[in-house]
Amino acid sequence: QKEVEQNSGPLSVPEGAIASLNCTYSDRGSQSFFWYRQYSGKSPELIMFIYSNGDKEDGRFTAQLNKASQYVSLLIRDSQPSDSATYLCAVNPYQLTFGKGTKLSVIP
Amino acid sequence: ETGVTQTPRHLVMGMTNKKSLKCEQHLGHNAMYWYKQSAKKPLELMFVYNFKEQTENNSVPSRFSPECPNSSHLFLHLHTLQPEDSALYLCASSQDGGTLSTDTQYFGPGTRLTVL
Repeated sequence: QKEVEQNSGPLSVPEGAIASLNCTYSDRGSQSFFWYRQYSGKSPELIMFIYSNGDKEDGRFTAQLNKASQYVSLLIRDSQPSDSATYLCAVNPYQLTFGKGTKLSVIP
Repeated sequence: ETGVTQTPRHLVMGMTNKKSLKCEQHLGHNAMYWYKQSAKKPLELMFVYNFKEQTENNSVPSRFSPECPNSSHLFLHLHTLQPEDSALYLCASSQDGGTLSTDTQYFGPGTRLTVL
């Protein structure tokens, strides 16, 4: 059974700090990895995706992938209160399998 | 309209009612999805349609009946639901229906369903 595990949090970081969100997955055949942000009462919105081992940067966001360890992470630099949301990790060997999400709280 | 739209945004229904959820995508995508999101549970894929053909049905009870008349529209017909079916129902679309690993899904705003 395909599983995607995330620490549910809440993860609290001070404004301006780096927030680190982690995700592990069970299916070694997974090829693409997505991070979605979901504000309370809203739908998930795509932040970024990563396919290859290593880092991928987009503005304040960096996704890191290590397929050997079956681990993907999202770093948010210079965290802002507006980053407070639940972050969903999704993994795609065929159809997306989502984790339960990590709730991030950025404290002003 | 842009992106993926869903109506209604909120729905309250009794267990004997019949109602329908509607989704429309304006992205030119070929695949559409229904997901269920309940509190403290991960997003659950319910149905996938690729070029109007259903390609996934994740053991969803028959009280949920999807319909996809074309690649831009998707419906979820509801009848004799149970209180545990109360959840946020999300529609999504993507270009290729998951046939390519790079396929990316975009979500609509969701319908918050309450079954009394």
